[in-house]
Amino acid sequence: KQEVTQIPAALSVPEGENLVLNCSFTDSAIYNLQWFRQDPGKGLTSLLLIQSSQREQTSGRLNASLDKSSGRSTLYIAASQPGDSATYLCAAGAGNMLTFGGGTRLMVKP
Amino acid sequence: GAVVSQHPSWVICKSGTSVKIECRSLDFQATTMFWYRQFPKQSLMLMATSNEGSKATYEQGVEKDKFLINHASLTLSTLTVTSAHPEDSSFYICSAIETTGYGYTFGSGTRLTVV
Repeated sequence: KQEVTQIPAALSVPEGENLVLNCSFTDSAIYNLQWFRQDPGKGLTSLLLIQSSQREQTSGRLNASLDKSSGRSTLYIAASQPGDSATYLCAAGAGNMLTFGGGTRLMVKP
Repeated sequence: GAVVSQHPSWVICKSGTSVKIECRSLDFQATTMFWYRQFPKQSLMLMATSNEGSKATYEQGVEKDKFLINHASLTLSTLTVTSAHPEDSSFYICSAIETTGYGYTFGSGTRLTVV
């Protein structure tokens, strides 16, 4: 059974810092790895989707990498802003199944 | 892009009544949709996989008679919480797979409060 872990569980940083959020998964037989953002009381917004054949994806200030062999993915946020404050979830996809990590609650202080 | 619409966004109901939540894929067809439940400050837990034209597949521990799922078309899945009780109060989120590259797309969620 796939297990996904995210570290740290919570993070508070001053505005402008570069951040790394970590995601690890136990079963490397995944089809893709997806990062989401969730604001309080809201649904999930997809940030980046990395297919199993890819090593990384970039969108604006966000960069996500995937290392299947080691069971790890990282989300890099450059020049963080207060508007980046949210919970970030990674999810490992296999077949039709998505297994979520517990999330990282990010607070970026002005 | 791929958009999933979920309705209602919040609902308050009396204990013992039933509540229906709708999940629609607006610009793509979804043969498979998923229903998740999320408790405060916790991650999403998959409840069931909804398959168009067939019975839903429920995860272990999820009561299929309590959480009725209907996926009658390629763009609509519904979750009905029957005889709701306060412990059913939670945040319910649906999602669908968009196969041209967007991956899983999620609805905006439904906050259910049973009083």
